[in-house]
Amino acid sequence: NAGVTQTPKFRILKIGQSMTLQCTQDMNHNYMYWYRQDPGMGLKLIYYSVGAGITDKGEVPNGYNVSRSTTEDFPLRLELAAPSQTSVYFCASSYSRMNTEAFFGQGTRLTVV
Amino acid sequence: ILNVEQSPQSLHVQEGDSTNFTCSFPSSNFYALHWYRWETAKSPEALFVMTLNGDEKKKGRISATLNTKEGYSYLYIKGSQPEDSATYLCASPAQTGANNLFFGTGTRLTVIP
Repeated sequence: NAGVTQTPKFRILKIGQSMTLQCTQDMNHNYMYWYRQDPGMGLKLIYYSVGAGITDKGEVPNGYNVSRSTTEDFPLRLELAAPSQTSVYFCASSYSRMNTEAFFGQGTRLTVV
Repeated sequence: ILNVEQSPQSLHVQEGDSTNFTCSFPSSNFYALHWYRWETAKSPEALFVMTLNGDEKKKGRISATLNTKEGYSYLYIKGSQPEDSATYLCASPAQTGANNLFFGTGTRLTVIP
């Protein structure tokens, strides 16, 4: 059982470039989340989704976009990369509303130069 | 946005010592409280999800308690081992029925052999 799979693991982008971070889960979870982790700041929620076709903004959505066309996939799009987006990104999923545990992917370390 | 606070920020203990740390959260509109263990270079893994005032959960040498009336949870580790070295995160949804999860900044535990 693969759980939550994120790709790529590492990426270096130049300022202004675009990229998509991929996230897929095989647990049939309706709820999916994208977080970024900055040193000393913990995990900040970027976007979340409660099911296919439904997405909503979290705490720090500026500069990002998401889509949820299937239950399994929840890609995160960076349109115009900026140095402030240098971070480690985590995708997570959960079975139901937040009284069940979240399962995390392995993370994507992104550097924007 | 929910203020979830953890203390201390970091902790060093000797192997065999028992230790505990705190997660504070707003007591109004409580929904759930999560504890996660996060080892360096890995992704967070759930330890406990607690929903009821007075809840106590245990997994091996790690246990947690919950006081929703005063807005805090304690995580205890009995007889710390070097493999317990990790960052321990707590998290809580913003309000009843919320679909997002706000994290504290974590307590970094180092167990010295």
